[in-house]
Amino acid sequence: QKEVEQDPGPLSVPEGAIVSLNCTYSNSAFQYFMWYRQYSRKGPELLMYTYSSGNKEDGRFTAQVDKSSKYISLFIRDSQPSDSATYLCAMKLSRDDKIIFGKGTRLHILP
Amino acid sequence: EAQVTQNPRYLITVTGKKLTVTCSQNMNHEYMSWYRQDPGLGLRQIYYSMNVEVTDKGDVPEGYKVSRKEKRNFPLILESPSPNQTSLYFCASSPGGGNADTQYFGPGTRLTVL
Repeated sequence: QKEVEQDPGPLSVPEGAIVSLNCTYSNSAFQYFMWYRQYSRKGPELLMYTYSSGNKEDGRFTAQVDKSSKYISLFIRDSQPSDSATYLCAMKLSRDDKIIFGKGTRLHILP
Repeated sequence: EAQVTQNPRYLITVTGKKLTVTCSQNMNHEYMSWYRQDPGLGLRQIYYSMNVEVTDKGDVPEGYKVSRKEKRNFPLILESPSPNQTSLYFCASSPGGGNADTQYFGPGTRLTVL
């Protein structure tokens, strides 16, 4: 079983829809969870960062961690064409540990 | 502007011809790292450095070398490139020790080895 699993997509949704992106993981010791956004021909950029379980909201973005199910989600409200990108989940065991990335989900927001 | 720069952005070379990809950051970050990104495999860490003169292997270090003589620079060296090193390479930096909260990625270097 891979450490971090993420559906590669592509996921196509109409503009204005709520988008749900998900990752599952196998190591219950992960404590830090991140979402990166990567536009075509660009490097990844950190979008959301959460520690342990719970929700974190930042504008149209909400990150959710369910440690009991080993499942993390990123929700995008009122999706825009500019949200079209690849979204990578990432996690690590401790603050000083290396980051394990998911393979990314390609998202297309249709105008 | 705070940034991580990489050069070259695109490179086509032949098997066995030594090459260096440069990486520089202007944020005085201690931690720097190299990743490669391949379709279906995602981002994989090659090498990382927690400070000047301190480097360590990541998940896929074979065929690569790095050095950290100055805080701002972290070049990636391929002594004898092979076609399986054709990939998209990213340099990243972050403040603090280890993998701190925010990694800043460079724009990427697309390498093709013929």
